[in-house]
Amino acid sequence: GIQVEQSPPDLILQEGANSTLRCNFSDSVNNLQWFHQNPWGQLINLFYIPSGTKQNGRLSATTVATERYSLLYISSSQTTDSGVYFCAASYYGQNFVFGPGTRLSVLP
Amino acid sequence: DAGITQSPRHKVTETGTPVTLRCHQTENHRYMYWYRQDPGHGLRLIHYSYGVKDTDKGEVSDGYSVSRSKTEDFLLTLESATSSQTSVYFCAMAGSPGPGELFFGEGSRLTVL
Repeated sequence: GIQVEQSPPDLILQEGANSTLRCNFSDSVNNLQWFHQNPWGQLINLFYIPSGTKQNGRLSATTVATERYSLLYISSSQTTDSGVYFCAASYYGQNFVFGPGTRLSVLP
Repeated sequence: DAGITQSPRHKVTETGTPVTLRCHQTENHRYMYWYRQDPGHGLRLIHYSYGVKDTDKGEVSDGYSVSRSKTEDFLLTLESATSSQTSVYFCAMAGSPGPGELFFGEGSRLTVL
């Protein structure tokens, strides 16, 4: 089945800095999503992005399906961006496989 | 307007007692999932459903059963809770075709003493 890796595992930033989080997956996928788990434990959808590029405010994501990776960009980070970022992938009819997450701490 | 809710949100129980967690969705989505989240293990799939009365096991299904008698409800049952089932449980839903985009409930924190 699909395997999903994320890097880096931990990231500490100063407020205002930019960052790039990476998600690698082992097989073809037709569904790739990014989630943010905030410090209260809520899992929030960021992007549904099986291919291409999307932007939402300070966040953007790019998935290159042929090369089996996705990137999440966070610009001008804020303390509210802290938490764990997960990517999850699936292929037709198969279940979602989650990466281990990147823990982001944004310092004031 | 969450579209997917879980109950109870918090529960403390004793070893050996049965526990049922409920997941309710209002989106008429076909797919529903139960995950557990533990430190160091990320999100692991317990059971999932791809339609009414259609369910299947995930990677950590031992000690759990599920039922889906209506599209909107997906129940997770621990027949005899053990301390190793202390965890945070998340329900999720996804629409067709696909499954499509996955949306999570708020989570249920279960403590088994």
